[in-house]
Amino acid sequence: DIQVTQSPSILSASVGDRVTITCRASQSLGSYLAWYQQKPGKAPHLLIYKASSLQSGVPSRFSGSGSGTEFTLTISSLQPDDFATYYCQQYNSYSPTTFGQGTKVEFK
Amino acid sequence: QVQLQESGPGLVKPSETLSLTCTVSGGSFTNYYWSWLRQSPAKGLEWIGNIYYRGTTNYNPYLKTRVSISLDTSKNQFSLKLSSVTAADTAVYYCARYPPTTTFDSWGQGVLVTVSS
Repeated sequence: DIQVTQSPSILSASVGDRVTITCRASQSLGSYLAWYQQKPGKAPHLLIYKASSLQSGVPSRFSGSGSGTEFTLTISSLQPDDFATYYCQQYNSYSPTTFGQGTKVEFK
Repeated sequence: QVQLQESGPGLVKPSETLSLTCTVSGGSFTNYYWSWLRQSPAKGLEWIGNIYYRGTTNYNPYLKTRVSISLDTSKNQFSLKLSSVTAADTAVYYCARYPPTTTFDSWGQGVLVTVSS
């Protein structure tokens, strides 16, 4: 299976900060990587698919980049609603889909 | 806008079969994969399997011997059965829609299933 590892596990930030989360894969994914936001007691919510495509309705302060084995999620200016846990997901068609362990963005 | 809702028992005894149903409203089954996932503190988010609207299934190899997913388009439902459960199967179970062009874009709210005697 393809493993994906996120860093950091916890990120302390303030409103207005630029925030970057990294996801590294054990094998090349091409561009088949997605990012989700999850709030306590809620299901994950798709933000980015195919590494850099913004899901409909997601604010433009969220962006994704990367290909192959290294990917990043960037929040250009952190808003109060953005304090949550973020997950990456690889969906390479030749391997069962797997998720990273999560990055919790907390208030500094 | 499509909505998904999981239903089923919140408590299952060890060695028994976990059964959940997902009801889909506000959207068509056509051209989508319909998926089950679960989330626990120990294992994080884990894909269980999916079923294409035409009935083809794919399962996580680690769960394949215990999992069955079926579809009832007349009721707008798809279902999960997980046999021979243990405490390690305790998790929040989610159903989700998977379009071929993106990934899991719509999720149910999740249901906590506890395996305990």
